[in-house]
Amino acid sequence: GQQVMQIPQYQHVQEGEDFTTYCNSSTTLSNIQWYKQRPGGHPVFLIQLVKSGEVKKQKRLTFQFGEAKKNSSLHITATQTTDVGTYFCAGPDGSSNAGGTSYGKLTFGQGTILTVHP
Amino acid sequence: SAVISQKPSRDICQRGTSLTIQCQVDSQVTMMFWYRQQPGQSLTLIATANQGSEATYESGFVIDKFPISRPNLTFSTLTVSNMSPEDSSIYLCSVVGQRGLWYGYTFGSGTRLTVV
Repeated sequence: GQQVMQIPQYQHVQEGEDFTTYCNSSTTLSNIQWYKQRPGGHPVFLIQLVKSGEVKKQKRLTFQFGEAKKNSSLHITATQTTDVGTYFCAGPDGSSNAGGTSYGKLTFGQGTILTVHP
Repeated sequence: SAVISQKPSRDICQRGTSLTIQCQVDSQVTMMFWYRQQPGQSLTLIATANQGSEATYESGFVIDKFPISRPNLTFSTLTVSNMSPEDSSIYLCSVVGQRGLWYGYTFGSGTRLTVV
């Protein structure tokens, strides 16, 4: 079945440093999604990328989807203590509709646990 | 996005007993899922809850151990049966497709289960 690999597993940074997590799928994805889980919390949807080579920004967060639609990255510029948590990528296990969205089950990466030291 | 009420938030149970977890959504949703997450680990899909029919289970999960109900488009339950310490985990429901629209997958706050 589909596998989604995510690295690194852990990342410790000083506040103000940048952070990047990488996601690779064993199959071509119709879209890729990113979620953030704060310590003790539940995953919260951040963004979805659909198009090959797509880049989206949310304030200090930059998300990229690879040209082959098999890899993705999340980059945080100048981390803050509020960025602490686990970041997961997730790919749909199957096809999506014409708009690139899917309603089926997701395969999650292992997650990257980000610690920010003040 | 949808608002999910998941209950209970945590429980400590004796081995051999069963616990039913409820997931109530504030509006009709297209799909509902149940996940398990060990602390510090990723999410593992248990099953897709199908409205009015038997759930679709992932490899390694069976109906006798994790019976699931979804009587309508806003409610589902997951039962963890005949529990053992290995069932200690966080269980999460997830939904997508509120009112047929897409806002990403929304998760309940989770049920932290400890089996002693």
